[in-house]
Amino acid sequence: DGGITQSPKYLFRKEGQNVTLSCEQNLNHDAMYWYRQDPGQGLRLIYYSQIVNDFQKGDIAEGYSVSREKKESFPLTVTSAQKNPTAFYLCASSIEGASGAQETQYFGPGTRLLVL
Amino acid sequence: AQSVSQHNHHVILSEAASLELGCNYSYGGTVNLFWYVQYPGQHLQLLLKYFSGDPLVKGIKGFEAEFIKSKFSFNLRKPSVQWSDTAEYFCAVRLNTGNNRKLIWGLGTSLAVNP
Repeated sequence: DGGITQSPKYLFRKEGQNVTLSCEQNLNHDAMYWYRQDPGQGLRLIYYSQIVNDFQKGDIAEGYSVSREKKESFPLTVTSAQKNPTAFYLCASSIEGASGAQETQYFGPGTRLLVL
Repeated sequence: AQSVSQHNHHVILSEAASLELGCNYSYGGTVNLFWYVQYPGQHLQLLLKYFSGDPLVKGIKGFEAEFIKSKFSFNLRKPSVQWSDTAEYFCAVRLNTGNNRKLIWGLGTSLAVNP
C-alpha cells in the first residue's frame, strides 16, 4: 500500500523543547516538502528537498530544520527558536520529472503540533 | 511577487446548487495549475490539474476547471453539489521557470453544503 505517512498525528511541545515530526514515503518520489497550515493562511512552504542530502529553505524556514539522509524520509525538527509553532504540518512528495517539470505533489495526513 | 488569489473565503450552498470557485494568479509565463481538496479530518487530495492541452479539465467527483490564459484564471466548477462536497478547496500554481519546484498556494475556500 503506497503512500505518505506522518507521525505522530498529534504532538505536544513544551516551551524550549525541540520536537521532530516524521515523514516517510514509499512512492519512490525524489522530491519532498514540508508545509505549515494555519487557519485562513493556506499552505506555507517551510523546506523542500529535491534529492537525498540536499534541501532548500522555503518561505518560512526560520525556527525549523530538516535532514534528507534517505530518499524515503524527510523529518522536520521544530526548534525552540520557532516562537509560534502551533499549527498543522503537512508533508508532501513528488516525482522529479525528466525535464524537471510536470510533477504533482501528494500529501500525507498531517501532524498537529500543540504547545503546552 | 507571484501570487494566487481565491476570491471566496467562505461559501455556503444548498444541495443541488451549482458551484464556481474563483482562482486567479499573477504570472505571465507558463504555469501548471492544481485544485486540491481537504475534507474534514482527511488529508489534502488532488482534485484536478492542468499542465497543457485542453483547457477544460475534468477531475474526480464531477468537478471540472477551465484554464483561461487571457484572464490568468483557473476556476473550479461543479453543476450540482452534494453534502459530501463540504470541504476546504485550495488552488495552487507552479511556475515553469528553470528548476522551480515550488507551488504558490491560494488561501483556500471553505465550502459548506447544507442538506
